[in-house]
Amino acid sequence: DQQVKQNSPSLSVQEGRISILNCDYTNSMFDYFLWYKKYPAEGPTFLISISSIKDKNEDGRFTVFLNKSAKHLSLHIVPSQPGDSAVYFCAARGRAGNMLTFGGGTRLMVKP
Amino acid sequence: ETGVTQTPRHLVMGMTNKKSLKCEQHLGHNAMYWYKQSAKKPLELMFVYSLEERVENNSVPSRFSPECPNSSHLFLHLHTLQPEDSALYLCASSHAGTGDGNTIYFGEGSWLTVV
Repeated sequence: DQQVKQNSPSLSVQEGRISILNCDYTNSMFDYFLWYKKYPAEGPTFLISISSIKDKNEDGRFTVFLNKSAKHLSLHIVPSQPGDSAVYFCAARGRAGNMLTFGGGTRLMVKP
Repeated sequence: ETGVTQTPRHLVMGMTNKKSLKCEQHLGHNAMYWYKQSAKKPLELMFVYSLEERVENNSVPSRFSPECPNSSHLFLHLHTLQPEDSALYLCASSHAGTGDGNTIYFGEGSWLTVV
């Protein structure tokens, strides 16, 4: 049973608009959440993270929101740029060790 | 340039071969990981070494054998693999522990094809 789910396998957005990528989790023991970005033929690159004690973390164009009661997090990219086109993975970490559980990824395509 | 380097980047091996994947991290971390990414599946954790001791193996088949000789190097020894083991194998590293900001950094991966 997948504990971290990204229900949208793909998302297409116009350049300059907002991209919203969603992630749901089931394990209430997760206390730290991360977003990674992956280009083809490369490893995942860390993007932004959020601790369970916060509900928002912002870094430039990227903002992550956490709704603990709904067990839901989202990544907002504003404004979206063509270079943002990649696969985005959300990941969650439990309290028992620095081991990540990943979602299946969402492929974002930003059109010029 | 990535702080986590994997070699080889591509490997084709027969089912009776023995080969190894190598990973080296230059970030001063003391925990290293092997992840597997198969087609249309989430990244799966295979092995974790923290302070050079294996702490998790996630029921990985014995045809995959990890080795961590020191905190900077990690190997994945492969023998008698199956075609379904063809995947992208990702090495990662971090500081040991669960402090906030303790991010895991990935290498670029080794593409393995078993024929």
